[in-house]
Amino acid sequence: GENVEQHPSTLSVQEGDSAVIKCTYSDSASNYFPWYKQELGKRPQLIIDIRSNVGEKKDQRIAVTLNKTAKHFSLHITETQPEDSAVYFCAASRSFQKLVFGTGTRLLVSP
Amino acid sequence: KAGVTQTPRYLIKTRGQQVTLSCSPISGHRSVSWYQQTPGQGLQFLFEYFSETQRNKGNFPGRFSGRQFSNSRSEMNVSTLELGDSALYLCASSNNGDTEAFFGQGTRLTVV
Repeated sequence: GENVEQHPSTLSVQEGDSAVIKCTYSDSASNYFPWYKQELGKRPQLIIDIRSNVGEKKDQRIAVTLNKTAKHFSLHITETQPEDSAVYFCAASRSFQKLVFGTGTRLLVSP
Repeated sequence: KAGVTQTPRYLIKTRGQQVTLSCSPISGHRSVSWYQQTPGQGLQFLFEYFSETQRNKGNFPGRFSGRQFSNSRSEMNVSTLELGDSALYLCASSNNGDTEAFFGQGTRLTVV
């Protein structure tokens, strides 16, 4: 079945450092790859997404890269800030309505 | 524009009981998807409804069911509750177009 693996499960960085989270998916028909941020007790919120016809997308300090051949995509956060601390989920999907999520990465940014 | 609204926010039920959760999507959104979030299994897709019809279904037992009304509001029902059904249940709405899914705050279900 469809599966998304996400690594690492926990990531601790110092404020100002970069953070990288990696995901691998199994369904080669997936064409939509969103990243969600979930703060404690809150709803998941989309921070960036990428479609399969694009290899890289950037939005200020956040960037996502996609390698369809390897079925691999990554989230890059530069100049991390304490408010970036949260759980980040990647997902892969053939549609916006049925997302297959990774297991999440708990990011802790220390001042 | 109001966001996705889920009610109730918290529920405590006893094993064997049944429960109904509600999700009101963003105005104009016709697709509602449901997810179960647990510490062990993460976020798992339950099912999706569009125009009152179940369009996609995940790998959950038949005790989990749902429906959607003509105003796009959706309900999910879990019958014969088990301890393992304790989870945060999230719904997400989208307009079925080329846009993202927006999540509600979730309903925290505890089965005792």
